[in-house]
Amino acid sequence: KNEVEQSPQNLTAQEGEFITINCSYSVGISALHWLQQHPGGGIVSLFMLSSGKKKHGRLIATINIQEKHSSLHITASHPRDSAVYICAVGGTSYGKLTFGQGTILTVHP
Amino acid sequence: EAQVTQNPRYLITVTGKKLTVTCSQNMNHEYMSWYRQDPGLGLRQIYYSMNVEATDKGDVPEGYKVSRKEKRNFPLILESPSPNQTSLYFCASSRTGKISPLHFGNGTRLTVT
Repeated sequence: KNEVEQSPQNLTAQEGEFITINCSYSVGISALHWLQQHPGGGIVSLFMLSSGKKKHGRLIATINIQEKHSSLHITASHPRDSAVYICAVGGTSYGKLTFGQGTILTVHP
Repeated sequence: EAQVTQNPRYLITVTGKKLTVTCSQNMNHEYMSWYRQDPGLGLRQIYYSMNVEATDKGDVPEGYKVSRKEKRNFPLILESPSPNQTSLYFCASSRTGKISPLHFGNGTRLTVT
């Protein structure tokens, strides 16, 4: 079993829909990162969480440390949100980073 | 502009020919790290550095070397590249290696024939 599991692996939505991507991990962590990668593009950091909830525009990220689970929500999705979303956890051994497999999101107009 | 710069963006080489991929950041970050991304395997950490002269292995260090002689630079060295090192490589930095947002370079696509 991977240390970091994302679901779903693929997600297709219509413009305007509310989207949730989940990330579960099995190890103790110092922080959890949500990353975005557009096709052929680089990687952008969306959020870094160690507790609670963060919001940036239409994106919301939450983490439940006790349940070892995080979610990334996109409200009012748009075709430009189409990308791969990657969860990454920083372990309690600072410096090491473990990644989920990524969720491929496609938003149709 | 705050950025992480990787060079080159694309590189095609032959088995056994030593190469270096450079990574430089202008944000005075303590932490730098290298990752490779492969289809079906996702991103995996190769090496990381918590500060100058402090480097540690990630999950897939075999066949790679790094050095951190100065804060801004963290080159990735392939002494004898092999075809299984064909991959997309990313460098990243953050203020510390603990709880800080990551800044990624644009990636280097390496092909070893």
